[in-house]
Amino acid sequence: SAVISQKPSRDICQRGTSLTIQCQVDSQVTMMFWYRQQPGQSLTLIATANQGSEATYESGFVIDKFPISRPNLTFSTLTVSNMSPEDSSIYLCSVERDRAQETQYFGPGTRLLVL
Amino acid sequence: AQSVTQLGSHVSVSEGALVLLRCNYSSSVPPYLFWYVQYPNQGLQLLLKYTTGATLVKGINGFEAEFKKSETSFHLTKPSAHMSDAAEYFCAVRPFSFSGGYNKLIFGAGTRLAVHP
Repeated sequence: SAVISQKPSRDICQRGTSLTIQCQVDSQVTMMFWYRQQPGQSLTLIATANQGSEATYESGFVIDKFPISRPNLTFSTLTVSNMSPEDSSIYLCSVERDRAQETQYFGPGTRLLVL
Repeated sequence: AQSVTQLGSHVSVSEGALVLLRCNYSSSVPPYLFWYVQYPNQGLQLLLKYTTGATLVKGINGFEAEFKKSETSFHLTKPSAHMSDAAEYFCAVRPFSFSGGYNKLIFGAGTRLAVHP
C-alpha cells in the first residue's frame, strides 16, 4: 500500500478565492490522481497528475479551474481556482505505485466549504 | 460505455446479521473489481479486489466478495455485522479495452450501511 497525506484536511473559503491542496506520498509512485466527491455523491476523476508534464483532464474539468502540479514522484498539488459554492466537495488524492499493482490507494481527503 | 451499479443506496442491518451489498458491472470483458469503504470524515480504504484467479476474494474486517461472470456481479458480504461496519461502501471497476488495456477506475454511486443494535 502507500501512506498518503493531504493538506489542508479541511477549509472554509470565500467565493472568488483559490485554494491549493497538497498531496504527499511516503514513497515514489508512478501514477497520481485527483478526484472530487460532491456532498452525498460518488467519486469523479478530475485529472491524472503527470510528473514533469501537464496533467490529463477528464471531460468537464479544465486546467484554468483546476491547475495541477506534480514536480516529482511523491508530491502533487491541486488548486481550485475562483471558487464558488458549487465547488464545495471533498477532494481526494490517489496513487498507483505502478501499473502492475492494479490498485489505487487514497488519501484522507480535503473537505472544502465555499461560502 | 462501461458502468457499475450498486443496488440500494442505503442498507440497514442489525448487529450480528448478514451484510450483503450488491454490485453489478456492464462489460463484455471481465474488468478488475474493487470494493472500497469510506468511514465518516475519512478517505477511501481498500477492502478487497478481484483481478484474476479465485473468484471468492477475502478482504479486511471479515468482508468477502465473489466474482460471478455469468451474473456480471461482485457482491460484498460479511456473515455478522458489527457496529463499526457502519460506513459508505463503493464498488469500483477497472474496465478492459483491447486497445488500451485496463483503464481508469469507475465508481458506483455508493451504499451507505447502517448497523443498529
